[in-house]
Amino acid sequence: EPEVTQTPSHQVTQMGQEVILRCVPISNHLYFYWYRQILGQKVEFLVSFYNNEISEKSEIFDDQFSVERPDGSNFTLKIRSTKLEDSAMYFCASRWDLAGSNTGELFFGEGSRLTVL
Amino acid sequence: GENVEQHPSTLSVQEGDSAVIKCTYSDSASNYFPWYKQELGKGPQLIIDIRSNVGEKKDQRIAVTLNKTAKHFSLHITETQPEDSAVYFCAASLENAGNMLTFGGGTRLMVKP
Repeated sequence: EPEVTQTPSHQVTQMGQEVILRCVPISNHLYFYWYRQILGQKVEFLVSFYNNEISEKSEIFDDQFSVERPDGSNFTLKIRSTKLEDSAMYFCASRWDLAGSNTGELFFGEGSRLTVL
Repeated sequence: GENVEQHPSTLSVQEGDSAVIKCTYSDSASNYFPWYKQELGKGPQLIIDIRSNVGEKKDQRIAVTLNKTAKHFSLHITETQPEDSAVYFCAASLENAGNMLTFGGGTRLMVKP
């Protein structure tokens, strides 16, 4: 069964360092997402990406964050200068475009745990 | 924006019993309500969803009900099994907003053999 894969599974970094989290969405999917979950809190939407551009972003997704689809398979989340409060599990998700509509199941990866010290 | 509340945060049942998890949402425009199961070390996996044009949907031992007037929806698992033990998340979205999901806080379900 096709799946969304994420790397690394766990990254520890020092405050102020740049971090790139990588995702390989399911190959025929067209919409890509990043969500995060701070320990003990809700899963929160960060950003959605379609047709090589951001389609929606939340208030959390400030200038520190950026996303990119550098090639036909990878989808990355970059945090420019990490803060302690960026420590969280980051989930990538993807879905295909059901007949040009906005419906369809989101498939999530297993997450990348980011720890900022 | 949308706010989703989920109860209970933990639920312990005996194998074979039923489990019910409830969620409320705030935005009456929301029209898509998925439920996700998250096992340890894995990402959330969709188990069932419901759209606002129906009041109930069933898939084997799992059912979801939706009350649009009261803005709440529930997950029902019958004949629970130990492998049902996981964290369950409800979510809500406005489907034509690109599936930007707002999640509930999660329910840790423990099924005791």
